[in-house]
Amino acid sequence: KQEVTQIPAALSVPEGENLVLNCSFTDSAIYNLQWFRQDPGKGLTSLLLIQSSQREQTSGRLNASLDKSSGRSTLYIAASQPGDSATYLCAVSDEDKIIFGKGTRLHILP
Amino acid sequence: DGGITQSPKYLFRKEGQNVTLSCEQNLNHDAMYWYRQDPGQGLRLIYYSQIVNDFQKGDIAEGYSVSREKKESFPLTVTSAQKNPTAFYLCASKGARADSTYGYTFGSGTRLTVV
Repeated sequence: KQEVTQIPAALSVPEGENLVLNCSFTDSAIYNLQWFRQDPGKGLTSLLLIQSSQREQTSGRLNASLDKSSGRSTLYIAASQPGDSATYLCAVSDEDKIIFGKGTRLHILP
Repeated sequence: DGGITQSPKYLFRKEGQNVTLSCEQNLNHDAMYWYRQDPGQGLRLIYYSQIVNDFQKGDIAEGYSVSREKKESFPLTVTSAQKNPTAFYLCASKGARADSTYGYTFGSGTRLTVV
């Protein structure tokens, strides 16, 4: 059974710092991996999707990597801003379903 | 703009009542999903549907029911058999089953509270 783990569960960093969020999964037979952002009381916003054949994806200050063989992904956020404060969720998809980690709650200190 | 619409945003249920959460999408996606989110537990899959008139139980289907009569709609009913329904409910959709190109799109959620 696929399990997704995100470390750390919570993170506070000063504004302007670069940071890395980690995600690991137990079954490497995935279709793709997706990173989401969730603000309090809101739905999920897709940030980046990495297909199983890809190694990384970039969007603005965000870069996500995927090492399928080792079951790991990282989300790199450059030059963090207070508006980046949110919960970040990692999720992996197989043919039928998507399985989520419990998220990393990020707080950027002004 | 294409997307997923969930309604209502807030819903209050009395003990013993059934309530129905609405989820509508105009993305022409085949698959639709319902998740429940509780603090500290992440998202858990309730039901999913890959095609009209067909749906499967997820990990926590007990006390819930769904229907998929139209491609655009996937309503979730929380029945009186669900003993702890207070949670945040999220609906999602995805394109063609074998297509790994496209990810999941989520609605803005419904917060259900038992009063």
